[in-house]
Formats: sequence, structure tokens, C-alpha cells
Amino acid sequence: DTAVSQTPKYLVTQMGNDKSIKCEQNLGHDTMYWYKQDSKKFLKIMFSYNNKELIINETVPNRFSPKSPDKAHLNLHINSLELGDSAVYFCASSQGIGTGDQPQHFGDGTRLSIL
Amino acid sequence: QKEVEQDPGPLSVPEGAIVSLNCTYSNSAFQYFMWYRQYSRKGPELLMYTYSSGNKEDGRFTAQVDKSSKYISLFIRDSQPSDSATYLCAMNFKAAGNKLTFGGGTRVLVKP
Repeated sequence: DTAVSQTPKYLVTQMGNDKSIKCEQNLGHDTMYWYKQDSKKFLKIMFSYNNKELIINETVPNRFSPKSPDKAHLNLHINSLELGDSAVYFCASSQGIGTGDQPQHFGDGTRLSIL
Repeated sequence: QKEVEQDPGPLSVPEGAIVSLNCTYSNSAFQYFMWYRQYSRKGPELLMYTYSSGNKEDGRFTAQVDKSSKYISLFIRDSQPSDSATYLCAMNFKAAGNKLTFGGGTRVLVKP
């Protein structure tokens, strides 16, 4: 039973298109995250939501817009895709924020390739 | 310079050997230190979590934190081919909430 699931697993699209990635967690967590992993394997946080409220918003182009319809779901919409957006996007979830000691559970990623 | 540095490897060891991994960091505010394992085409999986300095052992895994040197280590005893993966260190501090800062990962190959 998958804990953090992302769809789609692979996304190949043309530059300039708009696309969405979806994430769902069934762990009962109240905090969800989007990370970007580049070709050199660095994982960098993009956004974090706690109970549908935006908590972390890193320096990310405003072409990226997260949406959390409820605390079990976090989607990422990307407008006007650029070549540099090619990466693996990971969703994660955890219980609580602020203490720094709540382990984050990751999905298996969405591999985005821009042609 | 990255906030958290990790040798990308690959680190190749024979089965049964001890795997030694480490990360250095520059931000002395970091309090919580984690090691994640990432298999190819999978998400990171939490292996070890340590608060502040000291050692922590869990089965074949031992995590060490030396805050005075800004250096953390992970040791894997009796390594198995199934330990072949990329190992990522991550860290954060209370005021940062759950904003993890990751190293770039070390690729480990355990040869039978």
C-alpha cells in the first residue's frame, strides 16, 4: 500500500507547455512538500504546506504554483515549461512542523523531460 | 560552495566490508542530522536520524555526528549487494521547521 504516491511517473513534453503533477499521501500526515532533484542528485525544497497552508516557499519561479486541496493532497502546476525545468520532482510528507525532527517520507518521483 | 558537501563517489567495496560515508557542513545552526538511502528510480528512504552530537546505532548502521568539526558519518557493517544505492545526508534546525538541506549523495556499489 503506497504511502506517498505521485502521478505521473514520467512526463515528456515540449517547451512552453503547461503541466501538472499530483501527489497523495495516506499516512495521515499534515505537512507535504515538493522537492526538485537535478541531474547532480541535489535535492532542493521548493514548497511546503501544513494543513493546506503554505509554509515554505523557496526562491522558485512563479511559473510554479502549488495547490493543496486538502492535507492529503498536494499538486504542482508548472506554466510555460523551460528546458531547465527538466528534473525529478519529489513529493514528501511528514507529521507536524517546527520541531525539525519529524521524518519526511518521499514518493518515487516524477521524471520531467522538456524537449 | 554548497552548505552541505558530500563526495559523489562511486564508492566500490567488496561484500562484507565496512562502508564509510561522510558529509561536511558549514552552518553551525544545524541540529538534526539524517541519512537517506535512495535506490535508482526511487524516492529517498530515511535510514538514520540523530539529534546533536554523538553516535547512534541501528542494526548494521551507525551514525556519528561531530558538531565541533561540522562532520557527520554513516557506517554500514557487513555490507550486502542490496546496500548498493545512493546515500544522502540531510540536516536542519528547529527555526527552519522541516526545511531539510541535503548533500548531493554518495553512490555506493557493493560487489558480490
